[in-house]
Amino acid sequence: IAGITQAPTSQILAAGRRMTLRCTQDMRHNAMYWYRQDLGLGLRLIHYSNTAGTTGKGEVPDGYSVSRANTDDFPLTLASAVPSQTSVYFCASSDWRTGEDNQPQHFGDGTRLSIL
Amino acid sequence: GESVGLHLPTLSVQEGDNSIINCAYSNSASDYFIWYKQESGKGPQFIIDIRSNMDKRQGQRVTVLLNKTVKHLSLQIAATQPGDSAVYFCAEIRMDSSYKLIFGSGTRLLVRP
Repeated sequence: IAGITQAPTSQILAAGRRMTLRCTQDMRHNAMYWYRQDLGLGLRLIHYSNTAGTTGKGEVPDGYSVSRANTDDFPLTLASAVPSQTSVYFCASSDWRTGEDNQPQHFGDGTRLSIL
Repeated sequence: GESVGLHLPTLSVQEGDNSIINCAYSNSASDYFIWYKQESGKGPQFIIDIRSNMDKRQGQRVTVLLNKTVKHLSLQIAATQPGDSAVYFCAEIRMDSSYKLIFGSGTRLLVRP
């Protein structure tokens, strides 16, 4: 079934450690996104990429980095994890074209990350 | 500041009744709106969308209404079923934000048997 695959599904991590969350999509969407979801705050955009080779900052980018080497993969890295980064992380993708009608974003099932 | 928000955090309805979930937005420049459903342990699932040149759009058992005059969005679910129990989010795309979704905080829909 086509869609978005995130890994790992959950992780407990010691503060100060480096962690990369993986995201792969097989829909050939050009745009990909990372969100975090915290209770009472909904989903907040961390970083995004409109096409392979380009990335941009979202609403809450500090402490996170991304790369987009190809169309399908969009990993999110926490260089030195802190407890405030405990959250559920969702990756999404969409078919986005400048000047054309917007299309909905499609989401993976998330990575539950706990920083101790 | 500008935001997308919901009037009710929790909505409880009887199975078979219609449900209405409301959402307010503050940026009149937004041109695309989406409703998502999120079940426990899952990612948001696309339900229905509407563009700003429309005021109503219907799907299977769902209808989205857009009132640009008062910046209000609603999701109507007909004949609500137990499987509709979830958290529902509205989201907007702002024309100047390069297709970055802004989400509301969500409404939990509980369906009573």
